[in-house]
Amino acid sequence: DTGVSQNPRHKITKRGQNVTFRCDPISEHNRLYWYRQTLGQGPEFLTYFQNEAQLEKSRLLSDRFSAERPKGSFSTLEIQRTEQGDSAMYLCASSPSAAEAFFGQGTRLTVV
Amino acid sequence: RKEVEQDPGPFNVPEGATVAFNCTYSNSASQSFFWYRQDCRKEPKLLMSVYSSGNEDGRFTAQLNRASQYISLLIRDSKLSDSATYLCVVITILTGGGNKLTFGTGTQLKVEL
Repeated sequence: DTGVSQNPRHKITKRGQNVTFRCDPISEHNRLYWYRQTLGQGPEFLTYFQNEAQLEKSRLLSDRFSAERPKGSFSTLEIQRTEQGDSAMYLCASSPSAAEAFFGQGTRLTVV
Repeated sequence: RKEVEQDPGPFNVPEGATVAFNCTYSNSASQSFFWYRQDCRKEPKLLMSVYSSGNEDGRFTAQLNRASQYISLLIRDSKLSDSATYLCVVITILTGGGNKLTFGTGTQLKVEL
């Protein structure tokens, strides 16, 4: 499968724990996005990478969230000191240009 | 005001019906426009691009009105398999370079026998 791959698919964690998600984009796609989606809402933009550079981070994103894309390939999204409000589907997408993006299947986070 | 607004629905229609979804966007500098489809508990998938000249793909027709900042999607002869959430997507250029996709809340369609 040469699509966008996300791991893990599901994560259940206790409040206060740290979690890290991984995204492997489509090869040679230089643009990578992270989104968060809750029930009944559209995906909400979190952050954007062009190659290894993080060019944009949503103002809605607290300091507990950090993302990296070393070497411009895979990316990780870390949430520190998780809260119940962090429970959501975390989606990664990649794109070869300023056009449509291709999404992974997402990581569903449940904070208990 | 949200950057991209859609009627959340649900739209319940009988099989074979024609249904239209609308979307408005607030950023006049938006560059590109798309409709995505999202099935329950799945990731969004590109349905079609939207152009000012209008474009058609089988039973689906998309239209963009830049002056009114309005996007539409028309589905003809709807099938049970069309049941999904349809997301309006607008691409805007970021001040730091690059671009981002901004999604509407999605319009839920249920096609019934």
